[in-house]
Amino acid sequence: GENVEQHPSTLSVQEGDSAVIKCTYSDSASNYFPWYKQELGKGPQLIIDIRSNVGEKKDQRIAVTLNKTAKHFSLHITETQPEDSAVYFCAASIAETSGSRLTFGEGTQLTVNP
Amino acid sequence: DAGITQSPRHKVTETGTPVTLRCHQTENHRYMYWYRQDPGHGLRLIHYSYGVKDTDKGEVSDGYSVSRSKTEDFLLTLESATSSQTSVYFCAINGGLGTEAFFGQGTRLTVV
Repeated sequence: GENVEQHPSTLSVQEGDSAVIKCTYSDSASNYFPWYKQELGKGPQLIIDIRSNVGEKKDQRIAVTLNKTAKHFSLHITETQPEDSAVYFCAASIAETSGSRLTFGEGTQLTVNP
Repeated sequence: DAGITQSPRHKVTETGTPVTLRCHQTENHRYMYWYRQDPGHGLRLIHYSYGVKDTDKGEVSDGYSVSRSKTEDFLLTLESATSSQTSVYFCAINGGLGTEAFFGQGTRLTVV
């Protein structure tokens, strides 16, 4: 089955700096790659996703890049703010199969210091 | 917020007792999922459902069963709880293939 690895496990940045989180996946059939943000005591919430027919996607301060050949994708957050502090998860799935059977990375604890 | 309610939100139970967690949705979504979240493991899929009475196993299904008798409800049962099942359990829903999955607030289960 699919295996997703995520790095780093913890990331501390100064407010205003950029943050980058990287993930690799093993199943070349995976074609849907969402990123989730989880705040303390809450469920994960989708912040951005990308499909395999797209190399990059941007939404305001957040961007995701995908390299299908190398089987890795990355989350980029620019101009970080303290409210960006949370745990971030990458995930992968094959969109044509039964719903979003997501395989998650282990998570990255992002801390943005004021 | 997507209409997903998990109950209970917190539960402490003894080893060997049966436990049922409930996920209720008001979105009329076809797909429902149960994940568990443990430190160092991210979220792992336990079971999922692709329609009423249609369920299948996920990555970590041993010791768990599920039922879906109505579109809106997906139940997760631990037949005989063990300490290794102490975890935070999340229900998720989505309406179509490769679409956004919405997560509930989670149920923190402690097996003593």
